[in-house]
Amino acid sequence: GENVEQHPSTLSVQEGDSAVIKCTYSDSASNYFPWYKQELGKRPQLIIDIRSNVGEKKDQRIAVTLNKTAKHFSLHITETQPEDSAVYFCAASIDKLVFGAGTILRVKS
Amino acid sequence: DADVTQTPRNRITKTGKRIMLECSQTKGHDRMYWYRQDPGLGLRLIYYSFDVKDINKGEISDGYSVSRQAQAKFSLSLESAIPNQTALYFCATGQGVEETQYFGPGTRLLVL
Repeated sequence: GENVEQHPSTLSVQEGDSAVIKCTYSDSASNYFPWYKQELGKRPQLIIDIRSNVGEKKDQRIAVTLNKTAKHFSLHITETQPEDSAVYFCAASIDKLVFGAGTILRVKS
Repeated sequence: DADVTQTPRNRITKTGKRIMLECSQTKGHDRMYWYRQDPGLGLRLIYYSFDVKDINKGEISDGYSVSRQAQAKFSLSLESAIPNQTALYFCATGQGVEETQYFGPGTRLLVL
């Protein structure tokens, strides 16, 4: 079955810097790649997603890139703010989501 | 607002007890999922259902069972709870493979 690896497990950045989280997946048939953000004590919520026929997608300060040949995709957050501090999960899907282990992002002000 | 709700929100039980976690949704979605969250392990799929007559095992179904009572209700049971089932449990709903999944608020379970 599908396996998703996510790195790093923790990431600390200064406010205003960029943050990058990377994921790799094992099944080349995966065709949908969402990213979820989970704030402390809250439920995970979708922040951005990308489909296999697209290489990059951007929404304000966040962007996701997909390299299907290498089977990896990344989340980029620019101009980080304290409210970006959370756990971020990547996932890959053929018929159901398989999640990465998560990245704890801390934005220091 | 259409939502996903879970009951109870917190539960403490003893080893060997049977417990049920309930999930309800008003989003009108056909697909429902149960996940377990453990620190450092992300969200792991326990069971999922694509409609009322469809039940599928996920990655970690051993020790769990589910019931899809209606389109809007999906329950998770632990027949005989054990301490390593201590975790945060999330229910989620969705309308298709490439659609957003909406998570409930979670149930924090402690098995003593």
